[in-house]
Amino acid sequence: AQTVTQSQPEMSVQEAETVTLSCTYDTSESDYYLFWYKQPPSRQMILVIRQEAYKQQNATENRFSVNFQKAAKSFSLKISDSQLGDAAMYFCAYRSATVAASKLTFGTGTRLQVTL
Amino acid sequence: ETGVTQTPRHLVMGMTNKKSLKCEQHLGHNAMYWYKQSAKKPLELMFVYNFKEQTENNSVPSRFSPECPNSSHLFLHLHTLQPEDSALYLCASSHSGGAVDEQFFGPGTRLTVL
Repeated sequence: AQTVTQSQPEMSVQEAETVTLSCTYDTSESDYYLFWYKQPPSRQMILVIRQEAYKQQNATENRFSVNFQKAAKSFSLKISDSQLGDAAMYFCAYRSATVAASKLTFGTGTRLQVTL
Repeated sequence: ETGVTQTPRHLVMGMTNKKSLKCEQHLGHNAMYWYKQSAKKPLELMFVYNFKEQTENNSVPSRFSPECPNSSHLFLHLHTLQPEDSALYLCASSHSGGAVDEQFFGPGTRLTVL
């Protein structure tokens, strides 16, 4: 079974600074997807960024980028120029690419605080 | 907000009550999911429906009964729940068979079992 580990329960970053959230995973599969989801307080979970395991290039979405290290099974999220609106719970998630409509396996989340 | 809606947003029920959670997606997706989010625990998959057929049941107790009458609607029928079932219940949908099969989430139903 796949597992996802987020070792940082809480992180804090000053506005306009950069922060990196860590995620490691364990799987025996070679084809899969990795995701970072954001869940603001009392708001819906939304997708921040995704990475296909077969792609060597790290995904980027505006201020969000990932460092995907397949051999190390590491998938960290970097948030640049942090904004107050980035404050939320961030979840790392794994999904198999070999099964249609397969489940997401989530980590326990990292709560990000953004300070002035 | 995404095109996945859930009602009610909050629900308080006694252990002997029967209630239902409703999820509706307006995205033209064909797969729907129920997840449970408890405090201090990872989100946990409960059920998956693909083209209205249940494809995964993650060993969920029978006091939770899902129903998927069509690809746009998903229900979770609740009866004789326990206090430890109190949690945020999230519905999600996706386009099964798509390139990435990204899941879109609803706002959740906050359930409290007294």
